Amino acid sequence: QKEVEQNSGPLSVPEGAIASLNCTYSDRVSQSFFWYRQYSGKSPELIMSIYSNGDKEDGRFTAQLNKASQYVSLLIRDSQPSDSATYLCAVPGNYQLIWGAGTKLIIKP
Amino acid sequence: GAGVSQSPSNKVTEKGKDVELRCDPISGHTALYWYRQSLGQGLEFLIYFQGNSAPDKSGLPSDRFSAERTGGSVSTLTIQRTQQEDSAVYLCASSLDQGFGNTIYFGEGSWLTVV
Repeated sequence: QKEVEQNSGPLSVPEGAIASLNCTYSDRVSQSFFWYRQYSGKSPELIMSIYSNGDKEDGRFTAQLNKASQYVSLLIRDSQPSDSATYLCAVPGNYQLIWGAGTKLIIKP
Repeated sequence: GAGVSQSPSNKVTEKGKDVELRCDPISGHTALYWYRQSLGQGLEFLIYFQGNSAPDKSGLPSDRFSAERTGGSVSTLTIQRTQQEDSAVYLCASSLDQGFGNTIYFGEGSWLTVV
């Protein structure tokens, strides 16, 4: 059974700083990885997906994948209070995504 | 439709009553998922439908829970004899298929409160 682990937080970051969120997974053959953001009381929404080793950038967000070490990270540059949310990491299982428990991020003005 | 649609958005029911939650996936999406999320907790997988294949029911917590998907589109999650511990938000999601790399899109959820 694949496992996905995240630090539950909360992770507190000052506004304007870089927020770094980490996720480790147990299955070496995993090929794709997803980061979802979930605001309190809302449903998760996709931020980024990454399939290859290295970095993938999209605006203020950068996903970093290291398959050898089995971790995937999400960096948020110039953090804004609106980035305060829970960030979920997910890895494909047999038929559906295996979800981490999520890291709660708090951006302090 | 434009997104995954769920109804009702909120439901308060008395302990012991049955409830039905409905999900209308994105048009053309063959994969449909039900998750449960209790307050402050992570996503709990319940059941998965893919096309005409037999559903993966491995996440259903008890035999009080059942789900069906008619015509490969709309799905209904039924909870019989509701208990207070069933109180949670029930999230439906869909994707183009179950292939790796396909994005899962969530509905806004059905918030269930059992009193």
